[in-house]
Amino acid sequence: EIVMTQSPGTLSVSPGERATLSCRASQSVSSNLAWYQQKPGQAPRLLIYGASTRATGIPARFSGSGSGTEFTLTISSLQSEDFAVYYCQQYNNWPPYIFGQGTKLEIK
Amino acid sequence: EVQLVQSGAEVKKPGESLKISCKGSGYSFTSYWIAWVRQMPGKGLEWMGIIYPGDSDTRYSPSFQGQVTMSADKSISTAYLQWSSLKASDTAMYYCARASGYGDYWGQGTLVTVSS
Repeated sequence: EIVMTQSPGTLSVSPGERATLSCRASQSVSSNLAWYQQKPGQAPRLLIYGASTRATGIPARFSGSGSGTEFTLTISSLQSEDFAVYYCQQYNNWPPYIFGQGTKLEIK
Repeated sequence: EVQLVQSGAEVKKPGESLKISCKGSGYSFTSYWIAWVRQMPGKGLEWMGIIYPGDSDTRYSPSFQGQVTMSADKSISTAYLQWSSLKASDTAMYYCARASGYGDYWGQGTLVTVSS
């Protein structure tokens, strides 16, 4: 079973600054990697699929990169509404489609 | 507009059975997989399995095989997740999502609480 490891566990960043979140797969998942945002009390929201394609309605400040085993989610200029938990998820190998453990993005 | 609307919160006792639902609208329900995702209190997301409403093809994550049953009624565009005998450890929020490998649209979640 593939293991998805996100780092850091918690990231403290000031509004307006850039945030860089990492996700590593224990084996290649090609570009079959998605990123989600989850705010307290809300369902997850798809941000990125195919490692780098923004989902419908997602602002351009969110970007994804990487392939194989190393992936990055970058938020170019943090807005107050961006502080949340972010999860990566591989969908290259079934079973199952594994999520990372999450990165909490908090206000510095 | 694509929508997935889940049934309401449930409070059950250990050993009881339960079936929760997820109703899709705004798209061809039989053309996309539906995933079920568990989130235990204060924890991360776990992919439980997927079902294709078009033919009810179902695939379970190994951790959930034999623990839950997924089903779908395409005539009413509704997917289901059921337990035959709940345990306290089943206490969690359960989400359904339209799945193309990733979940592009999500239900609002159903909170299941199992307590004696």
